[in-house]
Amino acid sequence: DQQVKQNSPSLSVQEGRISILNCDYTNSMFDYFLWYKKYPAEGPTFLISISSIKDKNEDGRFTVFLNKSAKHLSLHIVPSQPGDSAVYFCAALGFPFSGNTPLVFGKGTRLSVIA
Amino acid sequence: EAQVTQNPRYLITVTGKKLTVTCSQNMNHEYMSWYRQDPGLGLRQIYYSMNVEVTDKGDVPEGYKVSRKEKRNFPLILESPSPNQTSLYFCASSQQGADAFFGQGTRLTVV
Repeated sequence: DQQVKQNSPSLSVQEGRISILNCDYTNSMFDYFLWYKKYPAEGPTFLISISSIKDKNEDGRFTVFLNKSAKHLSLHIVPSQPGDSAVYFCAALGFPFSGNTPLVFGKGTRLSVIA
Repeated sequence: EAQVTQNPRYLITVTGKKLTVTCSQNMNHEYMSWYRQDPGLGLRQIYYSMNVEVTDKGDVPEGYKVSRKEKRNFPLILESPSPNQTSLYFCASSQQGADAFFGQGTRLTVV
C-alpha cells in the first residue's frame, strides 16, 4: 500500500507559467514533508520542506502548501523555467524522527517546462 | 565541500557474484540510508542506519546487507545478486533523517 502518492507521472508547463505538482499521503503519523528534485544521472537534491504546524512555506520561486485535513500537499513553481525540467519527488517523515519511520517517497512526477 | 560519494557509478555483473557498492559521507552525519529507484516505483528504502553499528531494514531489504563500522561509510552488499536487483541505487546521509544529501547514484545491471 503506497503511503505517499504522486498521481501525475508527468506534467508539461510553458515557460513563465505556474507549475503545480501534487502529492497525497495516507499515514496520519507523517508530519514533515519534503520535495526533492532529480535530474537524469544525478542523485535527488533537497528542494523545500514543510512541517505540519505550517500550511505554507516559501523559498524564492518555490512554495509548498500543506492541507492536513485532506492529507494533501502541493509544490508551486512560479514562474517556471526550462531549468526546472526534472523529476520531482514528494517525501514524508514522522517527527520527531525516531529512526523507525524512514523517509517515504512518492513515485515522482516528471516536469517538462517548454520554452 | 559536503559530499556523499558512491562507487562504482556503473556496474555490470553476473548472477551470483558477490558485489559491494561503497558509500562515504564527509559531513559527520549520523543517519545514512540506501535507496533503489525503479521505473514506476519511485525511490524505495533498502536499509538505513541511525549510527555506528546500528542498522535496520527499510521497505525492500531482501537480498541486501549493509554494515556501519564507521560513521562515514555505509557499504551495500549483494551476496548473491539476481537480475531483479538491476536498478539505480542511491546512498543518502543526513543529521536527522530529513533533508538528506544524496550520492550520484550507482547503476547496477545483473545479467
